Amino acid sequence: EVQLVESGGGLEQPGRSLRLSCAASGFTFDEYAMHWVRQSPGKGLEWVSGITYNSNSIAYADSVKGRFTIFRDNAKNSLYLQMTSLRTEDTALYYCAKGGTVGGWDTEFDSWGQGTLVTVSS
Amino acid sequence: SYVLTQPPSVSVAPGQTARITCWGNNIGSKSVHWYQKKPGQAPVLVISYDVDRPSGIPERFSASNSGNTATLTINRVEAGDEADYYCQVWDGNNDHALFGGGTKLTVL
Repeated sequence: EVQLVESGGGLEQPGRSLRLSCAASGFTFDEYAMHWVRQSPGKGLEWVSGITYNSNSIAYADSVKGRFTIFRDNAKNSLYLQMTSLRTEDTALYYCAKGGTVGGWDTEFDSWGQGTLVTVSS
Repeated sequence: SYVLTQPPSVSVAPGQTARITCWGNNIGSKSVHWYQKKPGQAPVLVISYDVDRPSGIPERFSASNSGNTATLTINRVEAGDEADYYCQVWDGNNDHALFGGGTKLTVL
C-alpha cells in the first residue's frame, strides 16, 4: 500500500524559511515523479512543484519560483520542499503527491499524503 | 496561460445524475484527470486520462472530454459523494500542472 507522510509544517514568520519532508513507502520511489500541491484556507488545489524520478527535471509554479526548492533523496525514499522568503499567502495545507506512471512526468497524481499545515504569520 | 473553469457548485438529489464540467480552450486535446476532495481528507483520484477509473472507484463515476469541455458524471448519486471535485491537466507550454477552481457537489 502506498503511503506518503508529510512533516515539517508549522507557524513561521514572513520572510523566514521552512523545510517540508515527505516519507514514501509501499512503492518503488525512484521510479516515479513526485509533486507538492497545496490548498490555502477556503481555496482550491494549487500545484506547487514537481520533480522527475531522477531529479533531471524540476518545475515550479510561478507563485513560488525563486523562493521554493524541491529535491528528493531516492536512497531515503524522501521528497523535500525548501521554502524560503515565506509570505502570508503561502499559508496552506501542503500535500505530497505521487505521479501515476513509471518514469512519467505529466501524469495524474494517483496517491496523496494527508498534508502538513504551513502557517505564515507575524 | 492556460485556464480551467469549473462551476462553483452543483446540487443534485440522491439517486439522480450529477454532471460537473471543466472548460478549457481545446481541452479535448489534453488528458484530463479528476479528483474528489472531502473536508479533512486527502484528494482522491477518481478519473485519469479522460475516462479511466482507478481501482476502487465505483462504476457510477465516468467522464468524457471533447472540444472545449470535459465532464465528470456521477450516476445514482449518494450522500457520500458530497465533496469538492477538481479537474486537472498539464499545461504543455510551461510544463506546469493546472487545477480547475473546483466544484462543490451538494447532495440535497
